[in-house]
Amino acid sequence: AQSVAQPEDQVNVAEGNPLTVKCTYSVSGNPYLFWYVQYPNRGLQFLLKYITGDNLVKGSYGFEAEFNKSQTSFHLKKPSALVSDSALYFCAVRDGGSSNTGKLIFGQGTTLQVKP
Amino acid sequence: KAGVTQTPRYLIKTRGQQVTLSCSPISGHRSVSWYQQTPGQGLQFLFEYFSETQRNKGNFPGRFSGRQFSNSRSEMNVSTLELGDSALYLCASSFKGVGNEQFFGPGTRLTVL
Repeated sequence: AQSVAQPEDQVNVAEGNPLTVKCTYSVSGNPYLFWYVQYPNRGLQFLLKYITGDNLVKGSYGFEAEFNKSQTSFHLKKPSALVSDSALYFCAVRDGGSSNTGKLIFGQGTTLQVKP
Repeated sequence: KAGVTQTPRYLIKTRGQQVTLSCSPISGHRSVSWYQQTPGQGLQFLFEYFSETQRNKGNFPGRFSGRQFSNSRSEMNVSTLELGDSALYLCASSFKGVGNEQFFGPGTRLTVL
């Protein structure tokens, strides 16, 4: 079965420090991986995706993610955190059970708290 | 380009009633997906439509239904509402769906009393 795990409910980091939000996945076939961010009372905003190619993917707002096939991980990173990065982050994988679907399977989300 | 719009933004209904939620995708996007977000279950997939055809369906009871129109706008309907249907319902659109990032609307907050 396809699944996504975000092992940390919350990540706390000081402003200016690097941040990492972890994600591991299990999917049949080639993984299509995504990161989204959600601010309070808002929908999800797309940050970045991995389909194929370089393992290091750069996205919006200075975020990047590293795809690691052997560890089935897709961790989200940022070199220097901002207070405004505080939000709920979701990792998602396309359901590999069918080749003709965009259905996403989401992790449970990780709350990122950046303190000044 | 205008983003994904959802109407209404907030809705309060009572048990047993039915509700229809609307989603207008980004211009040019032909794929529309619906997700339910609750604190307990997180984000769960409801349906996916592409060119007016349901391409995929999540594990929800038959009370949940949807459709897509020729202009790619989509609606979802929930009949015989239950308290557990209270959730944020998110619509997302993408160009084709497979491999494309999905752009989410602000959601419709449904409260069932």
